[in-house]
Amino acid sequence: EAQVTQNPRYLITVTGKKLTVTCSQNMNHEYMSWYRQDPGLGLRQIYYSMNVEVTDKGDVPEGYKVSRKEKRNFPLILESPSPNQTSLYFCASSLGPSPSSGNTIYFGEGSWLTVV
Amino acid sequence: AQKVTQAQTEISVVEKEDVTLDCVYETRDTTYYLFWYKQPPSGELVFLIRRNSFDEQNEISGRYSWNFQKSTSSFNFTITASQVVDSAVYFCALSEAWNNDMRFGAGTRLTVKP
Repeated sequence: EAQVTQNPRYLITVTGKKLTVTCSQNMNHEYMSWYRQDPGLGLRQIYYSMNVEVTDKGDVPEGYKVSRKEKRNFPLILESPSPNQTSLYFCASSLGPSPSSGNTIYFGEGSWLTVV
Repeated sequence: AQKVTQAQTEISVVEKEDVTLDCVYETRDTTYYLFWYKQPPSGELVFLIRRNSFDEQNEISGRYSWNFQKSTSSFNFTITASQVVDSAVYFCALSEAWNNDMRFGAGTRLTVKP
C-alpha cells in the first residue's frame, strides 16, 4: 500500500529541546516536502526536496532543518523548538515535482506538535 | 505570485441543504493546477479533485461538483444534499505546472447539523 508515514503523530515538548519528525515513503518518490498548518493560514511549505541530497527552502523555513540522505526519508528537524512552532505538520511526496496527471501528491497523516 | 483565497471561514448548514464553498486564486502562470482537499476532525488530508488550467469542464462526483471559471479565477465546490459526514475543513490549493509547491487557502470549516 502506498504510504507516507510520519512519526510521532502527537508530541508535546518543551522550548529548546531538539526534536525530529520523521517522514518515510514507500513509493520510490523523488519529490518530498514538509508543510505546517496553522489556523487562518492554511498549509504553508517549509522545505522541499527534489531528490537525494537536494533540498531547498519553502515559504516558512526559519527554525527548521531537513536532510535527504536516502530517497525514502525526509526528516524535519527542530533544533531549538519555540512555542510559535506549535502546529500540525504534514509531509508529502510525489514521483516528480510537477503536479501533472499521474503524478499524485501523497500526504502523511499529520503530526500534531505542541511546544510549551 | 500565487495566492488562494477562501473568503468563507466557517459555514453552517442543516443536513440536506446544498452548500457552495468559494475559492478564488491568483497566478501569473498559464499552466497551473487546482485542488480541493477535505480535512475531517481526525486531521488527515483527503484528496478530492485536481484540475489543470486547460480543462474548464465542470466535474461532478456523486454529491460533489466543481465549477472552474478561468474568467473569474474561481474554482468553487458545491456539496448537494449535505450530510453530517461532510462536516470538515475544506482546502482549496493551487500549484504551478513545474512545481509541487502547493499554495493553500486558509480553509473553510463546514458544519452540517442534523
